[in-house]
Amino acid sequence: EPEVTQTPSHQVTQMGQEVILRCVPISNHLYFYWYRQILGQKVEFLVSFYNNEISEKSEIFDDQFSVERPDGSNFTLKIRSTKLEDSAMYFCASRAGPVHYNSPLHFGNGTRLTVT
Amino acid sequence: AQSVTQLDSQVPVFEEAPVELRCNYSSSVSVYLFWYVQYPNQGLQLLLKYLSGSTLVKGINGFEAEFNKSQTSFHLRKPSVHISDTAEYFCAVSDPILTGGGNKLTFGTGTQLKVEL
Repeated sequence: EPEVTQTPSHQVTQMGQEVILRCVPISNHLYFYWYRQILGQKVEFLVSFYNNEISEKSEIFDDQFSVERPDGSNFTLKIRSTKLEDSAMYFCASRAGPVHYNSPLHFGNGTRLTVT
Repeated sequence: AQSVTQLDSQVPVFEEAPVELRCNYSSSVSVYLFWYVQYPNQGLQLLLKYLSGSTLVKGINGFEAEFNKSQTSFHLRKPSVHISDTAEYFCAVSDPILTGGGNKLTFGTGTQLKVEL
């Protein structure tokens, strides 16, 4: 069964450094998402991406965050200058179509980002 | 705005016993409802979903959930749990009206199900 793959599984970075989290969504999917889960807290929506542009973003997704689909297969999340509070598990997700088309959301296994 | 409440942060249960994980939601519009399971060090896997139709929804691994509109609930149940069901379970809600966001999910805080021998 096709999977959403995320790399790396764990990334450690120093405060103030830029970090890029990488995701390869399922190949025929059109909607892409990033969610994050701070340790012990709920999964939170960050951003959705469709038709090569951001379609919705949360309050968390400030100017330090950006997303890109550079080559038709990868979907990246960049954090320009990491803060301690960015430490979390970041999940990439994709779906083929809108949810009312009965199109399930597939999640990757996540990248654990640790900012020191 | 939508929100999801999972009142139980942890639910311990003995193997082969029944279990119910509670989920309540609030929304000003009709919703789609989901349960996801997260095993240690893994991503989120869809257990089941309610989009429309029958209010009793059956999912994978023997789980089922019932949509109750009057009580704004979507409790997850399994008649007999197994050790392998030990995991974190998340209830989530989505807006059925297609928005530019492609129907983002709003999650609850999760319930840790611990199945003991």
